[in-house]
Amino acid sequence: AQSVSQHNHHVILSEAASLELGCNYSYGGTVNLFWYVQYPGQHLQLLLKYFSGDPLVKGIKGFEAEFIKSKFSFNLRKPSVQWSDTAEYFCAVNAFTGNQFYFGTGTSLTVIP
Amino acid sequence: EAGVAQSPRYKIIEKRQSVAFWCNPISGHATLYWYQQILGQGPKLLIQFQNNGVVDDSQLPKDRFSAERLKGVDSTLKIQPAKLEDSAVYLCASSSPRISEAFFGQGTRLTVV
Repeated sequence: AQSVSQHNHHVILSEAASLELGCNYSYGGTVNLFWYVQYPGQHLQLLLKYFSGDPLVKGIKGFEAEFIKSKFSFNLRKPSVQWSDTAEYFCAVNAFTGNQFYFGTGTSLTVIP
Repeated sequence: EAGVAQSPRYKIIEKRQSVAFWCNPISGHATLYWYQQILGQGPKLLIQFQNNGVVDDSQLPKDRFSAERLKGVDSTLKIQPAKLEDSAVYLCASSSPRISEAFFGQGTRLTVV
């Protein structure tokens, strides 16, 4: 069965600190990979996605993620976080067969001004 | 482009009552998903439609949950009878193979008391 693991459940950082959130998936076939963000009181929004090509993808608001196929990982990074980055972050995998989207348990990020 | 519309936004019911949620996906999106997001967890896929056919309902508690998408456009999710553990946010999302990205609605927050 497909699964998505996010290693950090709660992360607290000061502004300007660097961020890295881990994501590993288990699926043997071809996948698309996503990071979604959910700001307080808002709906899930796409942060970035990887389909193919350059394994380092850049998204909105200065976020980037690196796909490492050998490690089945898709970690999210940001060099310098801001207070406005406080949100829940979800890693998701879209399996080609059936077009299902599977989500990790999420990481709650709190950025302290 | 209009987003995924869901109603109601909030619902409070007593256990053993029934409730229904409605979703209107983005126009032209053939795939529609219903997710359950319990507080502190990631979205869990309940059911996936491709047009008006069910692709995956393996995690839908069929003894109490039902969903339909009769005309291949909007969809309803019903719970009858509700249990306390059904308290969650119910998310609707839609996608198309051409885009391969899921777009989410605001969700319906259900509280069962």
